[in-house]
Amino acid sequence: DAGITQSPRHKVTETGTPVTLRCHQTENHRYMYWYRQDPGHGLRLIHYSYGVKDTDKGEVSDGYSVSRSKTEDFLLTLESATSSQTSVYFCAISATPPGQGNTIYFGEGSWLTVV
Amino acid sequence: KNQVEQSPQSLIILEGKNCTLQCNYTVSPFSNLRWYKQDTGRGPVSLTIMTFSENTKSNGRYTATLDADTKQSSLHITASQLSDSASYICVVNGPGNQGGKLIFGQGTELSVKP
Repeated sequence: DAGITQSPRHKVTETGTPVTLRCHQTENHRYMYWYRQDPGHGLRLIHYSYGVKDTDKGEVSDGYSVSRSKTEDFLLTLESATSSQTSVYFCAISATPPGQGNTIYFGEGSWLTVV
Repeated sequence: KNQVEQSPQSLIILEGKNCTLQCNYTVSPFSNLRWYKQDTGRGPVSLTIMTFSENTKSNGRYTATLDADTKQSSLHITASQLSDSASYICVVNGPGNQGGKLIFGQGTELSVKP
C-alpha cells in the first residue's frame, strides 16, 4: 500500500465553521489530488497540486481552498462548511501526470458530515 | 461531453462464477483507461491500467480489455471469491491541464454470494 494518511478520518461539524482535512504522503510523489465521492456521482476532482505551492482547481472547487507548503502534505479547507459539502473526501497521489499511465494511489478517505 | 458510463449498476453472482463488467466512454482524446476496486468504506485500489494502444491487461483473476475504436472496455473476473464483493470503477484519462484529467464512472456494485 502507498503511504497515504488522511486525517481526520471522521468528522462532524456545524454549518458555517471552517474545516481542514489533511493528506500526508511518504512516497515523495509530486502530484496530489483531493476528490469527493457522493452517491450517484463518480469521484469528482476538487483541487490538485503538481508541486510545492503549485495548485489548480478541479471541477467542483467552489467553497474549497488548498495549500501545499511541502511535498508530503496537501491540505483541503472548507472555508465555511455547508450541508452540501457532506461527503467522503479522498486524497490521491501520483509520481507523474495521469496521462503518463502510472498508478494513482488513493487514501482511505475522510468522512465529513456537516449538520 | 466527456463521460464514462458503466453497466450494470449492480450485479449479484454466486461464488466461483465468472462475470464481466462493462465501461463505455465518450472521452476524446484519451490516453489511458484504468479499473479500480473499492471495498466498502475504503479507498479505491488500482487493478489495471491500459494505454490506448493496449487491448488487454491482466492482474490475477482480473482481466481488462479495451477497444479504442468502439470506446468500450470490460473487466472480466474469473472464479469469483467472496472478497471480490466491492464497487468496480472505470476511469478514463482525458484532456486537461497538467497531463490530463481523470473522468470516473459511477461504478458497478458487485456482490458475490456463497
